[in-house]
Amino acid sequence: GAVVSQHPSWVICKSGTSVKIECRSLDFQATTMFWYRQFPKQSLMLMATSNEGSKATYEQGVEKDKFLINHASLTLSTLTVTSAHPEDSSFYICSARMVDSLTRGYSNQPQHFGDGTRLSIL
Amino acid sequence: GNSVTQMEGPVTLSEEAFLTINCTYTATGYPSLFWYVQYPGEGLQLLLKATKADDKGSNKGFEATYRKETTSFHLEKGSVQVSDSAVYFCALRGSGNTGKLIFGQGTTLQVKP
Repeated sequence: GAVVSQHPSWVICKSGTSVKIECRSLDFQATTMFWYRQFPKQSLMLMATSNEGSKATYEQGVEKDKFLINHASLTLSTLTVTSAHPEDSSFYICSARMVDSLTRGYSNQPQHFGDGTRLSIL
Repeated sequence: GNSVTQMEGPVTLSEEAFLTINCTYTATGYPSLFWYVQYPGEGLQLLLKATKADDKGSNKGFEATYRKETTSFHLEKGSVQVSDSAVYFCALRGSGNTGKLIFGQGTTLQVKP
């Protein structure tokens, strides 16, 4: 089945550094990927929609300059948390959606999720 | 706007008990509905889905029926196992083409032997 790989799975770094998280669709093309943030014991909050070859669409309240998203190819999107601080510590999850080969639309394609990245800022 | 409401957890059951996790939604048009499962420290896995009214999604003994009249998509399983312990998320995807998923708050299921 469709597989989405997220890397790294766990990262610990000092406050002020930038961290890049990769999301890859391994066996399908994904023109759209999604980035979510999950706080402990809470639901997933959509941060942004990543579109291949164009700018990401951010949800209200998400800082574009803080969370840089690049979707340079049909199988890779990256999220960079710039100048990370302890409040950015969270579980970040990406997902990708397949394009329907017949309709070239998304109508019946589910999202496939990566295993998440646990980010801890000291 | 669109929203999903799930019953609060945790839900604690003994092995082989019957499971129901309630999910109701608010949406315009004809959304698609999903149940995802998240095991500790992992991402989400699609459990089942339904794309139109009266559809029943099923997988691994779990099932849920898309009820438009009650705007519900309750998850059920006849006999739970310890390995079913996880967090379950009900989600909705609107009828537009953005693909955005709206998640419920998640329900933790704990199954005891």
